[in-house]
Amino acid sequence: DGGITQSPKYLFRKEGQNVTLSCEQNLNHDAMYWYRQDPGQGLRLIYYSQIVNDFQKGDIAEGYSVSREKKESFPLTVTSAQKNPTAFYLCASSTRDLGANVLTFGAGSRLTVL
Amino acid sequence: GENVEQHPSTLSVQEGDSAVIKCTYSDSASNYFPWYKQELGKGPQLIIDIRSNVGEKKDQRIAVTLNKTAKHFSLHITETQPEDSAVYFCAAKRGTSYGKLTFGQGTILTVHP
Repeated sequence: DGGITQSPKYLFRKEGQNVTLSCEQNLNHDAMYWYRQDPGQGLRLIYYSQIVNDFQKGDIAEGYSVSREKKESFPLTVTSAQKNPTAFYLCASSTRDLGANVLTFGAGSRLTVL
Repeated sequence: GENVEQHPSTLSVQEGDSAVIKCTYSDSASNYFPWYKQELGKGPQLIIDIRSNVGEKKDQRIAVTLNKTAKHFSLHITETQPEDSAVYFCAAKRGTSYGKLTFGQGTILTVHP
């Protein structure tokens, strides 16, 4: 079955540590996205990538980094510079389309900073 | 940039009643408006969408209406069922922007049997 796989599902981190969240898709989608979900704030875009080896900052990129070396993979690193990293992180993918963009989401990764 | 406001933040209805969720957007260049449903422990899934050249779209018990002049759009669910209980998100996108959806804050819908 085609879809998006995020791992790990739950992650605990001590303050000052970097962590990397994995996102893999087998939908042959060109575009991939990382969103952060906090209660009452909806989904906020962290980074997005329309093609391999290219990515753009979203609305809340500070303290995060990404890479897009392969079409199928778009890992997100939450660095120690991110002041409030505890959140639910969602990865998504879509075709590259100026019109309707149907996002397919993964099941999410919940990060807790201890 | 685009700003999307969604109301109410929580909505509680009895099974069989209708539910309405409203969103307003700020960017008049936005032309694509999807709605996503997120069940507990899962990622959001698209349930219906509408483009700016259409005023209304229906899919069984779900409908979306768009008022471009007032810059608002709404999700209507009729004959609600307990399995409709979830978090619903509206979103908006400019036609000139690849994939950059701006989401509303979400509405927690609870349908009581």
